[in-house]
Amino acid sequence: GDSVTQMEGPVTLSEEAFLTINCTYTATGYPSLFWYVQYPGEGLQLLLKATKADDKGSNKGFEATYRKETTSFHLEKGSVQVSDSAVYFCALSERGFQKLVFGTGTRLLVSP
Amino acid sequence: GVTQSPTHLIKTRGQQVTLRCSSQSGHNTVSWYQQALGQGPQFIFQYYREEENGRGNFPPRFSGLQFPNDSSELNVNALELDDSALYLCASSLGRNRGSGANVLTFGAGSRLTVL
Repeated sequence: GDSVTQMEGPVTLSEEAFLTINCTYTATGYPSLFWYVQYPGEGLQLLLKATKADDKGSNKGFEATYRKETTSFHLEKGSVQVSDSAVYFCALSERGFQKLVFGTGTRLLVSP
Repeated sequence: GVTQSPTHLIKTRGQQVTLRCSSQSGHNTVSWYQQALGQGPQFIFQYYREEENGRGNFPPRFSGLQFPNDSSELNVNALELDDSALYLCASSLGRNRGSGANVLTFGAGSRLTVL
């Protein structure tokens, strides 16, 4: 079945450092790909999405590019802030369905 | 947005629990997810216009209802220790779309502890 694999955390960075969180997926079709963020005590919030190969999703300085050849959707940010500390989930949704398949999440800790 | 109640609850093994969700106004699809500690959310099921429209790998003791007024329920019977988790409700518009890229709006969840 479909699956998503994320790098294990926590990822610990200093403020203004460069961030990469790796995500790879396995799917039978051509899924849409998402990054969700979960702040402490809150629900999941959509951070960005991409619906086809070579699409780049971006939001709040975060970016991820849909790479079909490597089945990857790595999350990047050029300069992280303390307020970016949260758990980040990579997810996919098969075409035509609204069911999300999530990775296990990666906790990001940013120190001043 | 999406609101869920209660935010926290404690039950004992064998009991039954009902969790409630109020969808975002105008949304006609609701999905429920189970998020165990340290794990990603797992799809339980989805309801569209009050009918089940897809189910994940969960036993029949997990059941749901969707009401015409944008509210829904998740019921779990015969609680087991492994049912301890954060239960997330998510609403969206439309049952299936070609791109599969409909945005789900999540609630903050109900944290269930089974002793």
